Amino acid sequence: ELKVEQNPLFLSMQEGKNYTIYCNYSTTSDRLYWYRQDPGKSLESLFVLLSNGAVKQEGRLMASLDTKARLSTLHITAAVHDLSATYFCAVGREGQAGTALIFGKGTTLSVSS
Amino acid sequence: ETGVTQSPTHLIKTRGQQVTLRCSSQSGHNTVSWYQQALGQGPQFIFQYYREEENGRGNFPPRFSGLQFPNYSSELNVNALELDDSALYLCASSLLFTSLSYNEQFFGPGTRLTVL
Repeated sequence: ELKVEQNPLFLSMQEGKNYTIYCNYSTTSDRLYWYRQDPGKSLESLFVLLSNGAVKQEGRLMASLDTKARLSTLHITAAVHDLSATYFCAVGREGQAGTALIFGKGTTLSVSS
Repeated sequence: ETGVTQSPTHLIKTRGQQVTLRCSSQSGHNTVSWYQQALGQGPQFIFQYYREEENGRGNFPPRFSGLQFPNYSSELNVNALELDDSALYLCASSLLFTSLSYNEQFFGPGTRLTVL
């Protein structure tokens, strides 16, 4: 059974600081997705990582994928309040159960001044 | 380009009742997936529909059922509602089974279901 674990689950950051969210998954997959969710809102796609060594950056967020270690990271640079949200990683699972996204529990990020 | 839409936004039901949730997929997408997100948890895959047929299912009982229509819109039906069915129900549309597809799923705003 594919399991996805994120840590930390809660992260309180000061503005201007850097931090990394980790996403480990239990079986091989070549598709890793990062989503952002604001309170009471839906999921917004941030990054799609499709191969080992893939790195993508958007503003203060950078995501990377190491398929051999089954690990993805989401690095936050010089955090600002607008980044406060819950971040989910998800692994694409294909097979008899269709093409499903298996999500971690999410990391709730709170950025304060 | 029209995004994924869902209706209703909120719904309150009592135990034992039945509910139908609706989803319109993003223009050009042929697949709809449904997820259940309990409070404080990550979304859990319920099932996926492609070409009007169920294409895969997560660990949900048969009282969760669905439909996909020729225009790729979809319904999620839940019978015999239980208190634990209270959650945000998200549908996501994607383009499946093409050489350019990597199943990036685009989520709708969700339907908040409360079961009393």
